[in-house]
Amino acid sequence: AQSVAQPEDQVNVAEGNPLTVKCTYSVSGNPYLFWYVQYPNRGLQFLLKYITGDNLVKGSYGFEAEFNKSQTSFHLKKPSALVSDSALYFCAVRDMSSSASKIIFGSGTRLSIRP
Amino acid sequence: DTEVTQTPKHLVMGMTNKKSLKCEQHMGHRAMYWYKQKAKKPPELMFVYSYEKLSINESVPSRFSPECPNSSLLNLHLHALQPEDSALYLCASSPAGTSGSLGETQYFGPGTRLLVL
Repeated sequence: AQSVAQPEDQVNVAEGNPLTVKCTYSVSGNPYLFWYVQYPNRGLQFLLKYITGDNLVKGSYGFEAEFNKSQTSFHLKKPSALVSDSALYFCAVRDMSSSASKIIFGSGTRLSIRP
Repeated sequence: DTEVTQTPKHLVMGMTNKKSLKCEQHMGHRAMYWYKQKAKKPPELMFVYSYEKLSINESVPSRFSPECPNSSLLNLHLHALQPEDSALYLCASSPAGTSGSLGETQYFGPGTRLLVL
């Protein structure tokens, strides 16, 4: 069965420092991985995805993610955090067993950037 | 334009009421989704429509009734809800929603925050 795990409920970073939000996956076959962000009282916004190709994927708002097949990880990164990056982040994986385009979300990581 | 719109933004209803949530997209997408999200939790898939046909029902209680009148519009009819149904209801769309659409992105609306009294 496909799954993703986000081992950290919360990540705290000072503004200007690099940030990493961790995600590991478990799939049979090639993974299709996504990152979404949710600001308070809002819907989910798509940040980036990995399908195939370069292991470093660049996305919206200066975020990037590194796909690591040997470690089955897809960590989200940003070189310099902004206070406005504070939000809830979800990693997700395509459910390959589904007949429809279904994705499975991780439990979420709350990112808090202090000024 | 990657916008999915949802109305209303907020809804308060009693347990005997009937109400509907509406979702609309004009991206030409042929798959639309309903999710339920509790506070600080990931979204939970409820229904998937692909080419206006219901393709997934995640064992959702019958007090939730989805409808897809056309490829741009998705409704969720609510009847006799329980207080535990209070949540943020999110709509999403994607280009095709089929088993071959492996890497397609789902685009989410802002949600309807539902409170059942």
